[in-house]
Parts: sequence; structure tokens; C-alpha cells
Amino acid sequence: NAGVTQTPKFQVLKTGQSMTLQCAQDMNHNSMYWYRQDPGMGLRLIYYSASEGTTDKGEVPNGYNVSRLNKREFSLRLESAAPSQTSVYFCASMREGTEAFFGQGTRLTVV
Amino acid sequence: SQKIEQNSEALNIQEGKTATLTCNYTNYSPAYLQWYRQDPGRGPVFLLLIRENEKEKRKERLKVTFDTTLKQSLFHITASQPADSATYLCALESNSGYSTLTFGKGTMLLVSP
Repeated sequence: NAGVTQTPKFQVLKTGQSMTLQCAQDMNHNSMYWYRQDPGMGLRLIYYSASEGTTDKGEVPNGYNVSRLNKREFSLRLESAAPSQTSVYFCASMREGTEAFFGQGTRLTVV
Repeated sequence: SQKIEQNSEALNIQEGKTATLTCNYTNYSPAYLQWYRQDPGRGPVFLLLIRENEKEKRKERLKVTFDTTLKQSLFHITASQPADSATYLCALESNSGYSTLTFGKGTMLLVSP
């Protein structure tokens, strides 16, 4: 049972480049989330998906897009990376009223 | 605006003592409150969940209290060990609309031998 799998673990981008962070869960959860974590700021919600085919903005959605193509997978796309998007990104999945499971994180640096 | 506050200063305690961490919130009506542990370079790991109609929950050396009148949760680790050193995050799950988890910034706990 893998839980939540995120790829890649590390990435360096140049300003203006694009990339997609991948996330997959094997627990049949409806809800999936993307957070970013910055020093002193805690975990901030970027986007979430309550079910397959639906997505909603969180606290800090600007500069990001997401896709929930099926129940298992929820991807986060940076269309034109900026240095302000340097952060650690976490994907999570959860069933309402129960614990959330997190991936190992993606450490992204934009230079 | 909605706010979740955890003590930003690290908590330093000696091995064997009880650690108590605080989570206060404003402008929320949480259905559930959760506590997570996060080690450096890792994702958060779930510890305990308490529902709005529960006052206290225990799991081994961990205890959580939830006071919806005070809008506060206390997280206790009894007989603390150096291996308990980590950052502890409080998270609230809203009971309105879709289920989202909002996190506090976390409190670092350092347990010295």
C-alpha cells in the first residue's frame, strides 16, 4: 500500500519555465489537496479537489493550475515559474472526518 | 478573517516531562480538529483527530483536548522522549461546504535527554 506518491522529489527551474507536479493515491479517497510550505508560513492550501472532475481554489492559487483526471491522480502545474514559487510542495488525500495522508514532498527551486 | 494560532517559539523540555502545545482559532466552526507531526524534510504524519462534540481524546502517551467555547485545543505528550522532538501542526476541518484542512504554522518541540 503506497499511500500518496509524489514526483519529482527535487526540481530546479529557470524563471519562466513550466512543469507539472504529479500526485497519485491508492486509498480511494475523494478529496485531494495541494499545499505549499514556506519557512514561517506553515502549510498553505493552493488547490483542492473534493471529487473526480472538480477543483477549487485554496488560499494561494495564483500562478498554479490543477487537473483531477481521475480519482487517483491530482496534478499541479506551474505555467511560468517565478522565484516566489520556490517552496516545498505537498500533495495530500483524505476522506472527510478522517486523517489526511501526505506525500513526501517536492522541493522546488526557481532561479 | 479565519486564523489558527500556534506558539511560534520552540518548546524546550526535559525528557520525562509532559509537553503541552496550544492551538487557538478564530472565526472557524470546525467539525474536526487534527494534530500532525512533521519531521525535517518529511510530510506531516497524522497523530490524533477530535470531533467538535468530544472534549478529550487519548492515544498512548498523547492526549488532545478540544474546547469549542474557548476555541482552543491542547496537545499533551506525557513522559516525553528525545524521539518526540519534531514540529507539531494543528489542523481544522471545516463543517461548511467541501472538506478542507487548514493548518496552523506549527510549534517545534525539542526534548533534551
